[in-house]
Amino acid sequence: AQKVTQAQTEISVVEKEDVTLDCVYETRDTTYYLFWYKQPPSGELVFLIRRNSFDEQNEISGRYSWNFQKSTSSFNFTITASQVVDSAVYFCALSEAFDGNKLVFGAGTILRVKS
Amino acid sequence: ETGVTQTPRHLVMGMTNKKSLKCEQHLGHNAMYWYKQSAKKPLELMFVYNFKEQTENNSVPSRFSPECPNSSHLFLHLHTLQPEDSALYLCASRGGSGANVLTFGAGSRLTVL
Repeated sequence: AQKVTQAQTEISVVEKEDVTLDCVYETRDTTYYLFWYKQPPSGELVFLIRRNSFDEQNEISGRYSWNFQKSTSSFNFTITASQVVDSAVYFCALSEAFDGNKLVFGAGTILRVKS
Repeated sequence: ETGVTQTPRHLVMGMTNKKSLKCEQHLGHNAMYWYKQSAKKPLELMFVYNFKEQTENNSVPSRFSPECPNSSHLFLHLHTLQPEDSALYLCASRGGSGANVLTFGAGSRLTVL
């Protein structure tokens, strides 16, 4: 069975600090996708990134970066120079590559960025 | 209007009421989903529809009844709910070429008294 674990329930940082959100996953599939979504106070989950299991290259998008390590089944997310607008709940998720219906979410990490 | 729109955004109902949640997407997607988000629990998949046909029912109690009249609209009919059904109900859609990326609505916050 697939499982996603986000061990950090809540993280508080001061603006401009870097912060890393951890995500560890379990799957028996050899082909799968990993995702990060952001849920601001408004409620909707906003898609941030998708990574397939064959692409272990790290990715950087502005202040966001993702570190995918198959050897440790982790897909961690780092925000550099955090800002108050980054305050949200962040979800890591996993799906089979060939069945997009089965998207399994972690419990989420609440990130609070204080000014 | 773009994206996924959910109405109402907030709903308070008694256990004997009947109400419905509505979801609408104008993205041309063919798959639509209902998720339940309760406090301190992971998002739970409830139902999936592909091309108007239900393809997934994640052991959801019959007091929740989905309806998908076309690929753009999805409803969740509610009747005789329990207080533990209070949660944020999120609708999402997915396009065929979206490689499993879901687009979510802002959710309907349901409180059952």
